[in-house]
Amino acid sequence: EAGVAQSPRYKIIEKRQSVAFWCNPISGHATLYWYQQILGQGPKLLIQFQNNGVVDDSQLPKDRFSAERLKGVDSTLKIQPAKLEDSAVYLCASSGRGPGSNIQYFGAGTRLSVL
Amino acid sequence: KQEVTQIPAALSVPEGENLVLNCSFTDSAIYNLQWFRQDPGKGLTSLLLIQSSQREQTSGRLNASLDKSSGRSTLYIAASQPGDSATYLCAVNTNAGKSTFGDGTTLTVKP
Repeated sequence: EAGVAQSPRYKIIEKRQSVAFWCNPISGHATLYWYQQILGQGPKLLIQFQNNGVVDDSQLPKDRFSAERLKGVDSTLKIQPAKLEDSAVYLCASSGRGPGSNIQYFGAGTRLSVL
Repeated sequence: KQEVTQIPAALSVPEGENLVLNCSFTDSAIYNLQWFRQDPGKGLTSLLLIQSSQREQTSGRLNASLDKSSGRSTLYIAASQPGDSATYLCAVNTNAGKSTFGDGTTLTVKP
């Protein structure tokens, strides 16, 4: 079974530029998550999708961050414009095969450096 | 608002030692709790999932316990090996699938 795929693995941009990350969850998983992990901290949930609907985006900085999950499969996370404090690893996770299962499976992440 | 704390932030032990990692949470109304391992530059790998009705789960040399009423979980690692060196994170989950993570404990096992 293929795992959660993310791209790119690394991205370096200058502040005020825009950037987009892509995630392909495990096949059949209805729930998809985007997390931001700053160095030395645990992941912080940015947005949670159930199929193609948003369940929780309370911690998403909506003035600069946006995310979509077209057709309930792949997802993209965009930052526009980026700030220095956005430097972090962006993790995608999926869950949901089988009732009552919320074991999350994580991708390798995208490491973003904003200069 | 759920808060998750992991103590200690870092731990260094000699190979072969048994050790305990701690996780505490402020809101006991949880659905389950999950322990993860994270290697440098990598994503998170799930180690153990404990449902709120369970007291413990075991996988190989790992044993996780849960005391929901006191807001605590522990991860016990027996006979530690250098390959166990990583950051260990606990996450507390609601029945809606929302997770709150601690900041992790970075473990170093010295040969």
